Amino acid sequence: GQQLNQSPQSMFIQEGEDVSMNCTSSSIFNTWLWYKQEPGEGPVLLIALYKAGELTSNGRLTAQFGITRKDSFLNISASIPSDVGIYFCAGQLVSGSRLTFGEGTQLTVNP
Amino acid sequence: DGGITQSPKYLFRKEGQNVTLSCEQNLNHDAMYWYRQDPGQGLRLIYYSQIVNDFQKGDIAEGYSVSREKKESFPLTVTSAQKNPTAFYLCASSKSQGGTGELFFGEGSRLTVL
Repeated sequence: GQQLNQSPQSMFIQEGEDVSMNCTSSSIFNTWLWYKQEPGEGPVLLIALYKAGELTSNGRLTAQFGITRKDSFLNISASIPSDVGIYFCAGQLVSGSRLTFGEGTQLTVNP
Repeated sequence: DGGITQSPKYLFRKEGQNVTLSCEQNLNHDAMYWYRQDPGQGLRLIYYSQIVNDFQKGDIAEGYSVSREKKESFPLTVTSAQKNPTAFYLCASSKSQGGTGELFFGEGSRLTVL
């Protein structure tokens, strides 16, 4: 099946720092999504991107759909302790197809 | 409130036993999914269903079985044929199969084989 390479695998940062993570693929995706999973919970959708080059924000989070359609980026500004969790990227080849998930980025924020 | 309910949250099983994980949704979604989560491996699709009485294998279906007798329910059975069943299992739903890509997840069930 399709594979998404997500990096970094883990991040340990101080409260207030900015965070960047990304996903790359050898395939072209029609849709990119970013989910967050808090400990002991299921993932929750943060941002969905449907157009190459699209830049979308959700509070302190900003995600971009790469112009090549093979990558996506998520930035978190001014991190806070509740940002802790695993962030997953997901790609959809065409509308209506199954999602492919990245391996996740484990984020730890030290107060 | 609308959502997805998984039960039990924690489950222990002896080797050689089958176990069934429950997933119920009241979102009126057509599609439902089961994912397996292992540390550092992301979410891997086990089975999915687009409509009642129909389901398809995902990427790691061996050792698992499902049924979709009602729109609201999509139980997963982990059989004794599954070689490494200890994992966190997530159920999800969407308005239609694939759709816009937005999945709604339950809180998960953690299965430990002793």
